Amino acid sequence: QSVLTQPPSVSGAPGQRVTISCTGSRSNIGAGYDVHWYQQLPGTAPKLLMYTTSNRPSGVPDRFSGSKSGTSASLAITGLQAEDEADYYCQSYDNSLSGWVFGGGTELTVL
Amino acid sequence: EVQLVESGGGLVQPGGSLRLSCAASGFTFRGDWMHWVRQAPGKGLVWVSRVNVDGGIKAYADSVKGRFTISRDNAKNTLYLQMNSLRVEDTAVYYCARERYYYSSGSDAFDIWGRGAMVAVST
Repeated sequence: QSVLTQPPSVSGAPGQRVTISCTGSRSNIGAGYDVHWYQQLPGTAPKLLMYTTSNRPSGVPDRFSGSKSGTSASLAITGLQAEDEADYYCQSYDNSLSGWVFGGGTELTVL
Repeated sequence: EVQLVESGGGLVQPGGSLRLSCAASGFTFRGDWMHWVRQAPGKGLVWVSRVNVDGGIKAYADSVKGRFTISRDNAKNTLYLQMNSLRVEDTAVYYCARERYYYSSGSDAFDIWGRGAMVAVST
């Protein structure tokens, strides 16, 4: 069981919008620690996709956006493309564990 | 080019030891905190360990505490993970990752990742 909870899978047709949720608790997201998102394409290493909730590293298209409220965060992807098929992970810090925590990952399928 | 390259993975029996290395290039390694993150086959990412810039401050996940040791050699731009008393459940791809600290929010993300080294613990 991961400390941060994500849906195992989401799907959408090309051009559609999907969201991926990340639910934490008062010891991580709810304690004010920021959320970061990673994209892992099949057979590759994770890549930083979104940092400090809603900031995109250079090269990440603005189709990706992030938000946070209370003990949860969300990643939204608009204008879905086939190349977006990947696993997505949220990450934060947990002060009760004194360590960095990830969500269990969400597999995105583009129909 | 900014790069992290892991090596040292392999097959080991339960109770055995293995040392992973992570060679850094393209950035000032001695100025960055570094981490190890692992991913069991078909599973999600799990944080393993972290070390500060001079190797004096270390942190470990409970699952590896007392068995794994993180270290670094800034002269060689290399991060290490010494893994002892290995268990079947330690089987995973091990990634080294650079920590990026964001002063605006006081949080850390992993902004550079290596390709990973596979560690298989089995009889």
